Amino acid sequence: NAGVTQTPKFRVLKTGQSMTLLCAQDMNHEYMYWYRQDPGMGLRLIHYSVGEGTTAKGEVPDGYNVSRLKKQNFLLGLESAAPSQTSVYFCASRTGNTDTQYFGPGTRLTVL
Amino acid sequence: GESVGLHLPTLSVQEGDNSIINCAYSNSASDYFIWYKQESGKGPQFIIDIRSNMDKRQGQRVTVLLNKTVKHLSLQIAATQPGDSAVYFCASHEGARQLTFGSGTQLTVLP
Repeated sequence: NAGVTQTPKFRVLKTGQSMTLLCAQDMNHEYMYWYRQDPGMGLRLIHYSVGEGTTAKGEVPDGYNVSRLKKQNFLLGLESAAPSQTSVYFCASRTGNTDTQYFGPGTRLTVL
Repeated sequence: GESVGLHLPTLSVQEGDNSIINCAYSNSASDYFIWYKQESGKGPQFIIDIRSNMDKRQGQRVTVLLNKTVKHLSLQIAATQPGDSAVYFCASHEGARQLTFGSGTQLTVLP
């Protein structure tokens, strides 16, 4: 199993550009999450999904949208990127039977 | 709101010594706690977890202690090795709420 994978690993955007980050998991997990990690701060939840076709807002959802059209994929979109969205983005997933989340390797995004 | 914090942002230990990383949480109703290890440039990796009905749980070279009275959580690493150098995060949640993460402690293992 590849576990949780994220695409791309790195990206540089200009202010106002849009992009989509892809998270994929091959563990048949029901729950999927998107977090951002900034220096000196803990992981903060952006959006999450409790199953295919469902999404919900987390702690810092503004400026982001998500979609979960397939159980194995969770997409994070930035419609109009801002410098404040420069961060490292992590995806995570878990089954419905446990609380343990498993993380992907991260996407480092820089918005100029 | 709920907060989770670590006592020290950095910790240095000699190779072979035991390491203790501490974490405090604010929500007395938190019922699940978890420790992650994050190496540079990688995603967080699960180490060990514990539920509020337990005080201690042991894994391979790691032990988590939970003191609900003072809302304190600690991670003990026995015989610390160079490969243990990383940032360690604690996180907790209450019921169906989402995990709240601390800011992390950078553990450096000295030769």
